[in-house]
Amino acid sequence: DTAVSQTPKYLVTQMGNDKSIKCEQNLGHDTMYWYKQDSKKFLKIMFSYNNKELIINETVPNRFSPKSPDKAHLNLHINSLELGDSAVYFCASSPVMSGSSGNTIYFGEGSWLTVV
Amino acid sequence: AQSVAQPEDQVNVAEGNPLTVKCTYSVSGNPYLFWYVQYPNRGLQFLLKYITGDNLVKGSYGFEAEFNKSQTSFHLKKPSALVSDSALYFCAVTRPGGYNKLIFGAGTRLAVHP
Repeated sequence: DTAVSQTPKYLVTQMGNDKSIKCEQNLGHDTMYWYKQDSKKFLKIMFSYNNKELIINETVPNRFSPKSPDKAHLNLHINSLELGDSAVYFCASSPVMSGSSGNTIYFGEGSWLTVV
Repeated sequence: AQSVAQPEDQVNVAEGNPLTVKCTYSVSGNPYLFWYVQYPNRGLQFLLKYITGDNLVKGSYGFEAEFNKSQTSFHLKKPSALVSDSALYFCAVTRPGGYNKLIFGAGTRLAVHP
């Protein structure tokens, strides 16, 4: 059973389009995250939700909007896609925020977004 | 502010030889330290972590890491490398309390040659 699953795995779309990436975790965790990995493989946190509440919102353009309908799901919607949005987006989860007690963050397989 | 440095972009090792992937960190207070591995076109897999206690931490696939507070380091090691260990390795740090973020290093590519 996949612990953190995200769809789609690959997405190629044109500039200006709107797209969503869905994420679900079956680990019973309270906290979920979106991380972005750029072309140089650098990983940076974008958002974190704890029990459906937005906890971390990094300096991400407003075109990116996370939505958490329940604590097992965290979707990422991106409006007006730009070339620079091309990256790998990772969903992740942990029992609580990692800093609280050193809980391990578990990652999904990633969604490869290419904007053309 | 927290930060992680992985000073080597790539580490090359012959199969059967010991390997070390270096990591140093900067954090105020006590750190929580993690190692993850990423295989091509895959997600990050957790290898091991240091929270407290014994400075030598053992993890998955025969990997271990040693926490050195005085040198602010958390180097990843394996006594005998396998070709299948070839991947991208990430060190990460956070600190206790509240909603602290897990900050990743830039990654080190490990290439194990037959």
